[in-house]
Amino acid sequence: KQEVTQIPAALSVPEGENLVLNCSFTDSAIYNLQWFRQDPGKGLTSLLLIQSSQREQTSGRLNASLDKSSGRSTLYIAASQPGDSATYLCAVARSNDYKLSFGAGTTVTVRA
Amino acid sequence: NAGVMQNPRHLVRRRGQEARLRCSPMKGHSHVYWYRQLPEEGLKFMVYLQKENIIDESGMPKERFSAEFPKEGPSILRIQQVVRGDSAAYFCASSAGTGAMNTEAFFGQGTRLTVV
Repeated sequence: KQEVTQIPAALSVPEGENLVLNCSFTDSAIYNLQWFRQDPGKGLTSLLLIQSSQREQTSGRLNASLDKSSGRSTLYIAASQPGDSATYLCAVARSNDYKLSFGAGTTVTVRA
Repeated sequence: NAGVMQNPRHLVRRRGQEARLRCSPMKGHSHVYWYRQLPEEGLKFMVYLQKENIIDESGMPKERFSAEFPKEGPSILRIQQVVRGDSAAYFCASSAGTGAMNTEAFFGQGTRLTVV
């Protein structure tokens, strides 16, 4: 059974600081890994998708790395802004079945 | 191109009533997934469907819960005789589902079910 852990559970930083969010998973036989953003009472917005054969993906201020052998992914958000305040979820798809196993999330607060 | 559409956004039911949650996948997507997010918990997989077929329902409670994805129309998650413990946010996701470049899951806004 795939277990996904996200540390820390919550993070508060001043505006402008870089954010580092960690995700670990127990079974390295993954198909892909996705990072999502969830705002309070809202749905999930996909941020980045990393295929199992890739080491990282970048989109604007966001960069996600994947080390499948050690079962880790890290989401970096550069120069944080108050609008980045949200819960960030990591989700792993098992090989060939697309079912996602989610971490509990990291709730980020960026202080103005 | 509209995203994944779920309705209703909010649903209140009394204990013992039925809840029907609808999900229209993104255009061109034939794979639908339902997830449940209980208060203070992460999202948990419930069921995976393709058109007219249930592929994996391993995360769905054996009783009172059912799901379908008919040839025409939205996917439906049905909860019979709801209890307070069913109160949660129910999310639907869809994917194109074929090939390495088509497995990104796109989520709807969710239906927040409250059982009173």
